[in-house]
Amino acid sequence: GQNIDQPTEMTATEGAIVQINCTYQTSGFNGLFWYQQHAGEAPTFLSYNVLDGLEEKGRFSSFLSRSKGYSYLLLKELQMKDSASYLCAASLGGYNKLIFGAGTRLAVHP
Amino acid sequence: DSGVTQTPKHLITATGQRVTLRCSPRSGDLSVYWYQQSLDQGLQFLIQYYNGEERAKGNILERFSAQQFPDLHSELNLSSLELGDSALYFCASKLGGEGDTQYFGPGTRLTVL
Repeated sequence: GQNIDQPTEMTATEGAIVQINCTYQTSGFNGLFWYQQHAGEAPTFLSYNVLDGLEEKGRFSSFLSRSKGYSYLLLKELQMKDSASYLCAASLGGYNKLIFGAGTRLAVHP
Repeated sequence: DSGVTQTPKHLITATGQRVTLRCSPRSGDLSVYWYQQSLDQGLQFLIQYYNGEERAKGNILERFSAQQFPDLHSELNLSSLELGDSALYFCASKLGGEGDTQYFGPGTRLTVL
């Protein structure tokens, strides 16, 4: 079956760097998405990796290793507003359906 | 604002009832996806439509059905509702290509009493 794992919760300090890991075991893998979701709100797109390597976008970076079934999201210069859930999702198959991990709840404290 | 709209925002109903959730995709997007998110659960893929045709099914119950209309809006019908159906229901849309990003609507919060 399809399986996506990420840590349930993480805490970090304002101004610091945090890395959220995601491992996946899937078939028909196209690429890996990261979304941010504040409680009760819609997920918002952060990044999409298709090829191996690091993609940098401002304070956020995302890495993918297809051979290892592994990705991470790196958040730098953490701000209080970064407290949210971070969802890792694999795009699968010809119609690109997304299979989501359970999400990592990040708490940023002063 | 993603450009995807969903109505209603909140819905409270009783067990055994039937409800319809509506989604309008972003202008120009052909694909619509439906997801269910229960309390403290991840997003569960339910079903996908592309230009009016069903394309992929996930863990969608037989009591649930969906369709996409010629104007590309979509409706998710939930019948014989149970307490466990209480959840946030999101729709997402994308243009249609392989690398396209799915953009999520604000969701409909369904409470079954």
